Amino acid sequence: DTTVKQNPRYKLARVGKPVNLICSQTMNHDTMYWYQKKPNQAPKLLLFYYDKILNREADTFEKFQSSRPNNSFCSLYIGSAGLEYSAMYLCASSRGKGQDTQYFGPGTRLLVL
Amino acid sequence: QQQVRQSPQSLTVWEGETAILNCSYEDSTFNYFPWYQQFPGEGPALLISISSVSDKKEDGRFTIFFNKREKKLSLHITDSQPGDSATYFCAAFRGSALGRLHFGAGTQLIVIP
Repeated sequence: DTTVKQNPRYKLARVGKPVNLICSQTMNHDTMYWYQKKPNQAPKLLLFYYDKILNREADTFEKFQSSRPNNSFCSLYIGSAGLEYSAMYLCASSRGKGQDTQYFGPGTRLLVL
Repeated sequence: QQQVRQSPQSLTVWEGETAILNCSYEDSTFNYFPWYQQFPGEGPALLISISSVSDKKEDGRFTIFFNKREKKLSLHITDSQPGDSATYFCAAFRGSALGRLHFGAGTQLIVIP
C-alpha cells in the first residue's frame, strides 16, 4: 500500500485564524514533506521531516510550523492565515532521503477568506 | 528564481499522436530528473526518471531524452491515449541536497479521442 492520506480535503479559513492540516502514511517512510501548490506555479517545498528532524525552507521559515508525533503522522500548522495562504497543500513521503521516490497525497485545498 | 522551467504550459494532441513535453533547468549540478504525472483529484505520482549519466530512458510509450550540455529534457509520449490526459511535472534533484526536489510548473496534456 503506497497511500498517503490527507485531511481535510477542503478547508475554509478566515483571515487571522489558525489552520492545521494532517497527513498520514502507513509505509513506515522516514521522510515526510509538505508542498504548497498555487495555480500555474511549481509545487514549492515548505518543509520536511527526516525521522524526527524538521527542516524548514529559509523563505517560509516563519510562516509554517509542523509536528510529527510519530512516524506515520505529520501536520502543517499556520498560526494566522492570510489571503496569500490560499493554495493546494500536498503532503508526500519517501522511504529515505535523496533520490527516493516521493509518494504524494491528494492534497488539501485551503481557501482563506 | 525558477530553477526548472517547462513548456508548453498546455498541450492538446489527438489520440495516437506523439506528445512532446519540454523541460529545462539552470543548475548544472542537478543530476537526477524524475517526471511526475498528476490526474485531477489525485497527488502527483512518479512516472519515469533519468539520471544525468544517461541520455535516454524508455518505459513503454514514455521516453525521456536528456541533453546535459544544453540542460534540457523532453518527455515523449508516443501513441497518446485519452487516459494520458494529466498534468506532467518535470523535477530536478541535486545529489548533495537532502530530499529537495525542484519542480517545474507543469504541462497540462489533453488527448482528444
